[in-house]
Amino acid sequence: DAGVIQSPRHEVTEMGQEVTLRCKPISGHNSLFWYRQTMMRGLELLIYFNNNVPIDDSGMPEDRFSAKMPNASFSTLKIQPSEPRDSAVYFCASSPVSVGAAGELFFGEGSRLTVL
Amino acid sequence: AQSVTQLDSQVPVFEEAPVELRCNYSSSVSVYLFWYVQYPNQGLQLLLKYLSGSTLVKGINGFEAEFNKSQTSFHLRKPSVHISDTAEYFCAVSYGGATNKLIFGTGTLLAVQP
Repeated sequence: DAGVIQSPRHEVTEMGQEVTLRCKPISGHNSLFWYRQTMMRGLELLIYFNNNVPIDDSGMPEDRFSAKMPNASFSTLKIQPSEPRDSAVYFCASSPVSVGAAGELFFGEGSRLTVL
Repeated sequence: AQSVTQLDSQVPVFEEAPVELRCNYSSSVSVYLFWYVQYPNQGLQLLLKYLSGSTLVKGINGFEAEFNKSQTSFHLRKPSVHISDTAEYFCAVSYGGATNKLIFGTGTLLAVQP
């Protein structure tokens, strides 16, 4: 199995630009999570989907952030416009467990975003 | 609010010495507990998990953890560490019910010295 695949691995952009991060979950997994990791705030859950439907987006910082999951094999996290405080490592994770049970999360290698 | 506390931000230890990384969670009737490890420039991977049953849980790489309901703790232990165990360790909790999302602690850096 290829694991969770994220792209790009590194992104450097200027303030005000649009950033799109992409994630391909493990085939057959029906839960997908977006996390943000910073030194100051640690790991924060931004949003998660079950069966392509957003279940909890309470962690999305503000309207500049949006996430979609158009099908079971692809998700995007978009920041528009980006700001320097958005600089972080963004992780995508998928899980074979659906709503109602706890399960193991499989993480991608992350997308390191730097906003100048 | 539901939370996970890892009191130690960094734990230095010599190679072949035992280690314990502490984790406490806010109390709940139903709770599932996890330890994840993150090596430099990588994503997190599961070390072990407690869902139910025996309170002593064994994971990969010789790690184990004990669920203590009365103390709301889930400390991670290893009897003899190796240089390769140097990494960030995260405790996480899921409160089950209608959600399977994990709440992570702030992490503990295990620094193994020769």
